[in-house]
Amino acid sequence: QQPVQSPQAVILREGEDAVINCSSSKALYSVHWYRQKHGEAPVFLMILLKGGEQKGHEKISASFNEKKQQSSLYLTASQLSYSGTYFCGTEKDQGAQKLVFGQGTRLTINP
Amino acid sequence: DAGITQSPRYKITETGRQVTLMCHQTWSHSYMFWYRQDLGHGLRLIYYSAAADITDKGEVPDGYVVSRSKTENFPLTLESATRSQTSVYFCASIDRADTGELFFGEGSRLTVL
Repeated sequence: QQPVQSPQAVILREGEDAVINCSSSKALYSVHWYRQKHGEAPVFLMILLKGGEQKGHEKISASFNEKKQQSSLYLTASQLSYSGTYFCGTEKDQGAQKLVFGQGTRLTINP
Repeated sequence: DAGITQSPRYKITETGRQVTLMCHQTWSHSYMFWYRQDLGHGLRLIYYSAAADITDKGEVPDGYVVSRSKTENFPLTLESATRSQTSVYFCASIDRADTGELFFGEGSRLTVL
């Protein structure tokens, strides 16, 4: 079942922060985050495997609340290069290797 | 060069015709996937394969056929194309042993008239 992302779209000014949420109706083994620029393929950002795990890279980090079956992606002090559509992909079972993606959140960063 | 490549990148066809989208990867990844991307739906899984000769349905398999006779190739066939199959198709493979990262091809944009 497809996870639900919110918001569907967000517009920010450069330097502002954003949070993108991903919720599932089923228990999850892992959550993956990808970013896609217009006309390009999605690119991997990070994977979260354990409940409560937080991962980060520079100013982009994420958390995974296993109990609530949700994950959040945090973009801090956003840069123009952060613009794109963000997708969460969820995996129900360990070893299933099958990612089901949310519908995406379109992030626009204006100067 | 190593990577995952799709062909054709663009295809226009007519309703009822058979179309095959090709996917080739050079990493020897076991798992390969086909997704379609439509506005408002994100990426939806069509079929996936755990290894050569092992395939399974995803979320939206109807109207599609896959095969995997070799580890590196995973073609997707639309046996009788319909307008609702107009979409961008992405092939992907996974490097599960390392980071769990899903590597995507550049996509194939299919238009069915």
